Amino acid sequence: EAQVTQNPRYLITVTGKKLTVTCSQNMNHEYMSWYRQDPGLGLRQIYYSMNVEVTDKGDVPEGYKVSRKEKRNFPLILESPSPNQTSLYFCASSLGPGGRDNEQFFGPGTRLTVL
Amino acid sequence: AQRVTQPEKLLSVFKGAPVELKCNYSYSGSPELFWYVQYSRQRLQLLLRHISRESIKGFTADLNKGETSFHLKKPFAQEEDSAMYYCALKGCGALIFGKGTTLSVSS
Repeated sequence: EAQVTQNPRYLITVTGKKLTVTCSQNMNHEYMSWYRQDPGLGLRQIYYSMNVEVTDKGDVPEGYKVSRKEKRNFPLILESPSPNQTSLYFCASSLGPGGRDNEQFFGPGTRLTVL
Repeated sequence: AQRVTQPEKLLSVFKGAPVELKCNYSYSGSPELFWYVQYSRQRLQLLLRHISRESIKGFTADLNKGETSFHLKKPFAQEEDSAMYYCALKGCGALIFGKGTTLSVSS
């Protein structure tokens, strides 16, 4: 089944404790991205990747890192999480950056709480 | 500047009433616009795209370049349409989302 998976789905952690949220897609998509969803602010893009070893900042990259060593994986790294990073995170992938017929496929979301 | 504006946070209608979810955009080039939907406890998914001029689940959206709008419409709302709706614009290297509108359809 074609899908985007994220792990973990739920995470409660403490300030400053490094964490990684994994994202994997099995559709051979070149484009992947991370979003955070917050009430009243909608979806905001954190980072995106056009292809392996090519990443770029989105609208709210501060406090996050990403890597794209393989086409299928795009982990989101929080080196030193803070409470303002408490949010619902979505990974997405598409053949291209969301234009024309390139539908973005979203993962199920990861709910992160930073105490 | 590239921007997507959804002026309504919440839209409440009765079953069978017409629905219009507003979306305005700001983009200097030729825009590509989409509507995404997120039903309760489900992942975000594409509803429709302006390039296809399609009708999905009774919803349509017409791109109006003069008014820079891409409003989502449905003539008769159903309870199962209750969800969060996001308008999105394909910008340079990124898909830009609006803040979303929650549609609540009650009987």
